[in-house]
Amino acid sequence: QSVLTQPPSASGTPGQRVTISCSGSSSNIGSNTVNWYQQLPGTAPKVLIYNNHQRPSGVPDRFSGSKSGTSASLAISGLQSEDEADYYCAAWDDSLNGVVFGGGTKLTVL
Amino acid sequence: QVHLQESGPGLVKPSETLSLTCTVSGGSISSFYWAWIRQPPGKGLEWIGYIYYSGSTNYNPSLKSRVTISIDTSRNLFSLKLSSVTAADTAVYYCARFLYGDNIYNWFDPWGQGTLVTVSS
Repeated sequence: QSVLTQPPSASGTPGQRVTISCSGSSSNIGSNTVNWYQQLPGTAPKVLIYNNHQRPSGVPDRFSGSKSGTSASLAISGLQSEDEADYYCAAWDDSLNGVVFGGGTKLTVL
Repeated sequence: QVHLQESGPGLVKPSETLSLTCTVSGGSISSFYWAWIRQPPGKGLEWIGYIYYSGSTNYNPSLKSRVTISIDTSRNLFSLKLSSVTAADTAVYYCARFLYGDNIYNWFDPWGQGTLVTVSS
């Protein structure tokens, strides 16, 4: 049971816009920044979004992040086949005094 | 470009101690935090703990009694020891640089490629 809650799966067709949600509480998302990681099949995760909405260099602007209250969202516009991956949200948790992850969302491009 | 590489035994017997090393290349290990994260097969990510280059540590409370993370700045590497392992500790273990600024920012980048450790007799 993960501290942050994500839907286990999401899907879309090429070109579509999809959104993945991440729900937490006042001790994590509600009071700290959210980061998103993309894990392509068979590879290590890599940071996709940090500090709620910032993109590392090299990440396309098709990927965007937002946060409101105790929830956060990752949006992917202009969906492409290479976006098929697992996506994880993460945040600092003040109660745990450490990092907590969501359970991950498997994105399928139909 | 900082690169991280995990190394260590891929098979550990139950009740023994899992030991892994993460070698950092392309940059100094100093002035940063360094972390371990694991992923059981087919499951999600779990933060294990992190260490600052000065040696201060912070562990996941669920693993704290069994975890030790250490650092060797002269060799640009840091290590993980997990004692009294069981089958539940079977996972891919990743090392990563932890970009951390109190509670203002915190993310892992970059990550090592990961190494699978299986706990079995």
